[in-house]
Amino acid sequence: TTLSQSPAFVSATPGDTVTISCKASQAIDDDVNWYRQKPGEPILFLIQEATTLAPGIPPRFTGSGYGTDFTLTIYDTESEDAGYYFCLQHDNFPYTFGQGTRLEIK
Amino acid sequence: EVQLVESGGELVRPGGSLRLSCSASGFIFANYAMYWVRQAPGRALEFVSAISRTGDATYYADSMKGRSTVFRDDSKDTLYLHIGSLRPEDTAVYYCAKQTHRTGYYGFDYWGRGTLVTVS
Repeated sequence: TTLSQSPAFVSATPGDTVTISCKASQAIDDDVNWYRQKPGEPILFLIQEATTLAPGIPPRFTGSGYGTDFTLTIYDTESEDAGYYFCLQHDNFPYTFGQGTRLEIK
Repeated sequence: EVQLVESGGELVRPGGSLRLSCSASGFIFANYAMYWVRQAPGRALEFVSAISRTGDATYYADSMKGRSTVFRDDSKDTLYLHIGSLRPEDTAVYYCAKQTHRTGYYGFDYWGRGTLVTVS
């Protein structure tokens, strides 16, 4: 299953709402997780099963979608939200990842 | 606190082999499927391998089939990945990751910080 993630880059100012999309090449139920990667830090688990917030993640992060279209929305962005965001499909092996989105907070 | 610490990455000649390790703590290692994922410089993440919690089922990326083996030692809370016939395109940071759920196959909740493999 191929995951097409967009955009590749997004720039936002604090307080903006940011939306990142992942589209699967075939239906994968809700078997999508979202993560954030920052240099020097462990990869952070954000969302599981498309919509469920991971423990400790603020509700500003929201996941939606089912089947082939999935979205990560970050409301009221903060400077600490900067990083590289990517989706993962775990519906079938081999698991696959989106190409990633770099979020810049100006 | 869950911790995953990878080791074993190094500079290797093409055609060589190495064994990566992932030492786990902070959870009951034997209860979870575990994974290897890699990220080449400037590239997206790529699934490498998975092993069931019992160790009797394994999965590999097509690029790794036939030249890699994933295994686990639950007595040592350690996950391993042996890779042979290394190629320059295997150059990447290799991460291990823990599955979210105790049963079935799901995504990951914890990742290690990775170990760098350079094939040159």
